[in-house]
Amino acid sequence: DTAVSQTPKYLVTQMGNDKSIKCEQNLGHDTMYWYKQDSKKFLKIMFSYNNKELIINETVPNRFSPKSPDKAHLNLHINSLELGDSAVYFCASSQPGFTGELFFGEGSRLTVL
Amino acid sequence: AQSVSQHNHHVILSEAASLELGCNYSYGGTVNLFWYVQYPGQHLQLLLKYFSGDPLVKGIKGFEAEFIKSKFSFNLRKPSVQWSDTAEYFCAVKTSGTYKYIFGTGTRLKVLA
Repeated sequence: DTAVSQTPKYLVTQMGNDKSIKCEQNLGHDTMYWYKQDSKKFLKIMFSYNNKELIINETVPNRFSPKSPDKAHLNLHINSLELGDSAVYFCASSQPGFTGELFFGEGSRLTVL
Repeated sequence: AQSVSQHNHHVILSEAASLELGCNYSYGGTVNLFWYVQYPGQHLQLLLKYFSGDPLVKGIKGFEAEFIKSKFSFNLRKPSVQWSDTAEYFCAVKTSGTYKYIFGTGTRLKVLA
């Protein structure tokens, strides 16, 4: 059983399109995250939800909109895709509390042409 | 703002060599520290973590890390690397009272057979 699963794994699309990435975790965690990993492997936090409530919203263009229908799911919708959006997007979850580590999904590689 | 520095960006070692990867963070309060590994084409996996107690932490695959509070450091070590340790290594920090995990820029390790 995959603990944190993301779909799709690969996404190739044209500039200007709108796309979504979905994430689900079966670990019973309350907190979920989206991270962006660029071509230099730098990991940047984008958003976090705790029990469906947005708690972290970093400096991300408002073309990116997260949505958490329940605490096991966190989706990412991107409008008007740009070349610079090409990256690997990782979903992660963690237990509430100080000592919990992040559990990552396998990533969704987005390529914008 | 909190930050995490990994000074070694690329490391090349021969098999059986010893490894030490540096990690420093900037935050004066209580922290939770992590090392993650990302094998080529895969997601991040936890190697080890520190939250309290013995500052020498042992993780999976023979890795260990030492928390030195006075130096704000959490360096990763392995006495004898293997070809299969070729990967990207990330140090991360989580401060008490927050949900945010901040990652360093990563160190790419290549082990030559």
